[in-house]
Amino acid sequence: GENVEQHPSTLSVQEGDSAVIKCTYSDSASNYFPWYKQELGKGPQLIIDIRSNVGEKKDQRIAVTLNKTAKHFSLHITETQPEDSAVYFCAATGGSYIPTFGRGTSLIVHP
Amino acid sequence: GAVVSQHPSRVICKSGTSVKIECRSLDFQATTMFWYRQFPKKSLMLMATSNEGSKATYEQGVEKDKFLINHASLTLSTLTVTSAHPEDSSFYICSPGVAPEETQYFGPGTRLLVL
Repeated sequence: GENVEQHPSTLSVQEGDSAVIKCTYSDSASNYFPWYKQELGKGPQLIIDIRSNVGEKKDQRIAVTLNKTAKHFSLHITETQPEDSAVYFCAATGGSYIPTFGRGTSLIVHP
Repeated sequence: GAVVSQHPSRVICKSGTSVKIECRSLDFQATTMFWYRQFPKKSLMLMATSNEGSKATYEQGVEKDKFLINHASLTLSTLTVTSAHPEDSSFYICSPGVAPEETQYFGPGTRLLVL
């Protein structure tokens, strides 16, 4: 089955800095990679996703890159703000219709 | 994206009682519903997959008699935690199943605390 590794587990940055979260996956059949933001006491919210036919996707301050050869994808947040503080999960799906999630990254943005 | 609601948002119950959690897909006909459990500072753990009109599929290690799942219609799935114990305290989240490569949306979650 699919195995998704996510790093770092905790990331602390100053407001205005960039944050990068990295994930690797094992199943070459996976072809859809969403990123979720989860605030305390709430369900995960999709923030951006990328499919295997694209190498990069950007939405304002958020971008995702995908390297299918190396089987890794990354989330980039620029100009971080305190409200970006949350837990972020990556996921991989496609080989199976059930997504496999990373362990999560707790992002803390200090004002 | 799909709108998913859960009720209740939080519940406190005594040990030994049963608790029912409802998950509604408000604008999406969900033939399949995923039920997840999440412990503090942990990732989502898939518990079971409910299928409209048929039995649920449980992940290894999840007791089907403990966590009863019913998928009565294309918009409603319920999870009942029977004879709840303190170790069942957790955050339960539902999500309508989608085809591979389709975006998966999650409910807001239900916080269960068993005293």
